[in-house]
Amino acid sequence: AAGVIQSPRHLIKEKRETATLKCYPIPRHDTVYWYQQGPGQDPQFLISFYEKMQSDKGSIPDRFSAQQFSDYHSELNMSSLELGDSALYFCASSSGTGRSPLHFGNGTRLTVT
Amino acid sequence: GIQVEQSPPDLILQEGANSTLRCNFSDSVNNLQWFHQNPWGQLINLFYIPSGTKQNGRLSATTVATERYSLLYISSSQTTDSGVYFCAVEQENSGYALNFGKGTSLLVTP
Repeated sequence: AAGVIQSPRHLIKEKRETATLKCYPIPRHDTVYWYQQGPGQDPQFLISFYEKMQSDKGSIPDRFSAQQFSDYHSELNMSSLELGDSALYFCASSSGTGRSPLHFGNGTRLTVT
Repeated sequence: GIQVEQSPPDLILQEGANSTLRCNFSDSVNNLQWFHQNPWGQLINLFYIPSGTKQNGRLSATTVATERYSLLYISSSQTTDSGVYFCAVEQENSGYALNFGKGTSLLVTP
């Protein structure tokens, strides 16, 4: 079965640079979520989209933005990167908002040096 | 926001043993899911279980929403069960995001 696809798998950036993470949800899933997981931490919710509109917002810094496109893929844009942004970034998708299982991609490991 | 507490925080089992992981939450929820994060970092959905009991092979889960807790049972554990088990909840009337607990780190030894 198709899963959530994230790219790139690994990304190394320097401080103050920008990064763009991509997410392709499971076909026919209309809701996309972004989570950030620091080392040894639980995943923290950043933002979600339902039918290409932002549906919920969590602890996403103002330096980050995201959108969902007409083909339902989503991108997380991160600017002015800081050392503390180093983390595993997960995208997840589901069918409908909050009433069905969440399926995660394999994540993008971002390292800021 | 809602508090999600998982216990125990760490657990070491010998292969073949059974275990019970607990998740307590501080408010009413619409949605509760259990995830397994394997040593490679992958997050796998185990159960979508806002209430009731479900079984999937050696794993089963029970959520008693009125008493605000959920239990994950692992029977006949295998080394491949090692990793971190997360409980995540969606608070009622508070958006659709799942809030994760701190997890239970499980190590199954041969």
